Amino acid sequence: DTAVSQTPKYLVTQMGNDKSIKCEQNLGHDTMYWYKQDSKKFLKIMFSYNNKELIINETVPNRFSPKSPDKAHLNLHINSLELGDSAVYFCASSPGTGAGNEQFFGPGTRLTVL
Amino acid sequence: AQKITQTQPGMFVQEKEAVTLDCTYDTSDQSYGLFWYKQPSSGEMIFLIYQGSYDEQNATEGRYSLNFQKARKSANLVISASQLGDSAMYFCSRGYSGGGADGLTFGKGTHLIIQP
Repeated sequence: DTAVSQTPKYLVTQMGNDKSIKCEQNLGHDTMYWYKQDSKKFLKIMFSYNNKELIINETVPNRFSPKSPDKAHLNLHINSLELGDSAVYFCASSPGTGAGNEQFFGPGTRLTVL
Repeated sequence: AQKITQTQPGMFVQEKEAVTLDCTYDTSDQSYGLFWYKQPSSGEMIFLIYQGSYDEQNATEGRYSLNFQKARKSANLVISASQLGDSAMYFCSRGYSGGGADGLTFGKGTHLIIQP
C-alpha cells in the first residue's frame, strides 16, 4: 500500500491555465506539507497543514491555494500558471508537529509549464 | 533565515569505500531534529536517518550513521561500504520544535556517484 500518493505524476500544461495536484496519505498522520523542488534540486517548504488547519504559507504567491478537505488529503490548486512554476512538487506527511517528526514523502508531481 | 549548508555539490567514490557527506546548520533553537534523505534518479525522497538535538549517541541505521557534533553544528552522514545503488542525491535537513508544523529546511544536496 502506498503511504503518501500524489496524482498526477506528470503534468504538462500551457501558461495561464489552472491545474490541481492531489495528495492522499493513509498513515493516519495529522500534518501534511507541500514542497517545491526547483530545477537545481533545491527543496523548499510551501505550505503545511495540521489537522486541516493552515500553519505555514512560506511567501508563496496567492495563485497557489492548498485545500485540505480532511486530515488524509491535501490538494494544491494553482491558478494562472507561469513558466517559473515548472518544478517537482512533493507532498509529505508526518505524525505530528515538532522537531523529531520524520516526514514521509509522496512520489512527486513533475509540472511543466509551456 | 536559518540555513543548512552542504559544501560538497558532487562526490565520486569507489565502490566499497566509506563516504562522509558534510552538513552544517544554523540554529538558535535548543530542540531540533536533523534528517538525511536520499533521492535516487527515479525522484522519490527516501528517509535515511534521524538525530535529535538532545540525543547523546550518534544515530545509526544499518550502513548509515550520523556523526553529530552539536557544538560545531555539524551532522555529517557516513555511509559504510558504499554500493553502486548508493548513487543518488543526498539531502540534509532540519526540523524545528515549538509545536508548529514548520516543515523541514533542506540543504542544497550532494550528488554522490559510486564508481565500480
